[in-house]
Amino acid sequence: DTEVTQTPKHLVMGMTNKKSLKCEQHMGHRAMYWYKQKAKKPPELMFVYSYEKLSINESVPSRFSPECPNSSLLNLHLHALQPEDSALYLCASSQTDRHSNQPQHFGDGTRLSIL
Amino acid sequence: AQKVTQAQTEISVVEKEDVTLDCVYETRDTTYYLFWYKQPPSGELVFLIRRNSFDEQNEISGRYSWNFQKSTSSFNFTITASQVVDSAVYFCALSGYKKLTFGTGTRLTIIP
Repeated sequence: DTEVTQTPKHLVMGMTNKKSLKCEQHMGHRAMYWYKQKAKKPPELMFVYSYEKLSINESVPSRFSPECPNSSLLNLHLHALQPEDSALYLCASSQTDRHSNQPQHFGDGTRLSIL
Repeated sequence: AQKVTQAQTEISVVEKEDVTLDCVYETRDTTYYLFWYKQPPSGELVFLIRRNSFDEQNEISGRYSWNFQKSTSSFNFTITASQVVDSAVYFCALSGYKKLTFGTGTRLTIIP
């Protein structure tokens, strides 16, 4: 079983809806990540949170809004998404983002479909 | 700029055969880390191994083995006596400042 838990596992939403993806880890990790993965492609980094502060935003459109309420939780708020935003959204965590030797541990992902 | 190349897009082998997945990387860093991840159909990326640039010792874990050759910038992954449960997409990744650079992945299918 994964130590990074993501909910929901599947989400279908219309382009005008507002929804949130949730991610939780209890490994004491202080870095958390959001990735987007299209079919047959590698994961693409969206956001990095380090010690609950936004560390990296990879020029993601503002219709994606991340939030890190505490060191164990990471949310991704979605609003006015486009059909091309349909993808697998993966959350990951690592002990820290300050040392490149730390492996990232991934959740199962949320499969998002935009109608 | 960093780059990871996994030239094999898809590989199919019959169960119990050995299979090697290739990974070639480019980096200007003198210290770096390489990773392999497995992604089964369920979606989760499973961390398999980490190797630092100063350690060229090959590693074996059960049926899995990794061959790191700095001279050719390669970090290949071999599965011995493959099993159906090994069917997945495998990603090689290279560490950078706060980021991982992933290869495009190799889809491995083990035929029963």
